[in-house]
Amino acid sequence: NAGVMQNPRHLVRRRGQEARLRCSPMKGHSHVYWYRQLPEEGLKFMVYLQKENIIDESGMPKERFSAEFPKEGPSILRIQQVVRGDSAAYFCASSPRAGYVGYTFGSGTRLTVV
Amino acid sequence: QQQVKQSPQSLIVQKGGIPIINCAYENTAFDYFPWYQQFPGKGPALLIAIRPDVSEKKEGRFTISFNKSAKQFSLHIMDSQPGDSATYFCAAGSEKLVFGKGTKLTVNP
Repeated sequence: NAGVMQNPRHLVRRRGQEARLRCSPMKGHSHVYWYRQLPEEGLKFMVYLQKENIIDESGMPKERFSAEFPKEGPSILRIQQVVRGDSAAYFCASSPRAGYVGYTFGSGTRLTVV
Repeated sequence: QQQVKQSPQSLIVQKGGIPIINCAYENTAFDYFPWYQQFPGKGPALLIAIRPDVSEKKEGRFTISFNKSAKQFSLHIMDSQPGDSATYFCAAGSEKLVFGKGTKLTVNP
């Protein structure tokens, strides 16, 4: 029973490139949350998705960031035209239903923008 | 209203000691208060969580104390071990979580 799988574990991008982060939820889970962790900081909520729907994107920067969770396949967090300030660890969590907050985090993707 | 304040920032105890980490929240709509443990290079792992209808919850060596009127909650680690050395985060929320900034705990042998 695999946990939440995130890939890649580490991603290096040059300024201006695009970053694509993938998250496969636990089996049977249809709700996904993305959080960002800056160095020496706690996690900050970015977006909450159900299959094919964005439920809450109140934590997403207005520009360059987008997220999707298609009917088939993993959830994708996409960052266009990356800047140095995007360097962070991005964590995904999944849950089996709405309102369930005891969710499990993946191991994260560490994005470095050079 | 969305902040969760965590203290101390770092904590060093001897093996067997009882480290205590404190958190304070502002939003009275929050109804779920978890603690996460994070090792370097890993994702946060849920340690223990409490709802506001109880004042204390114990799981193994970990205890959460919750004071609803003061809007504060704390984590106690009994008989701490070097393997407990990690960063601990409190969080609060209802569906999405607001995290504290973390406490780096070091347990010396």
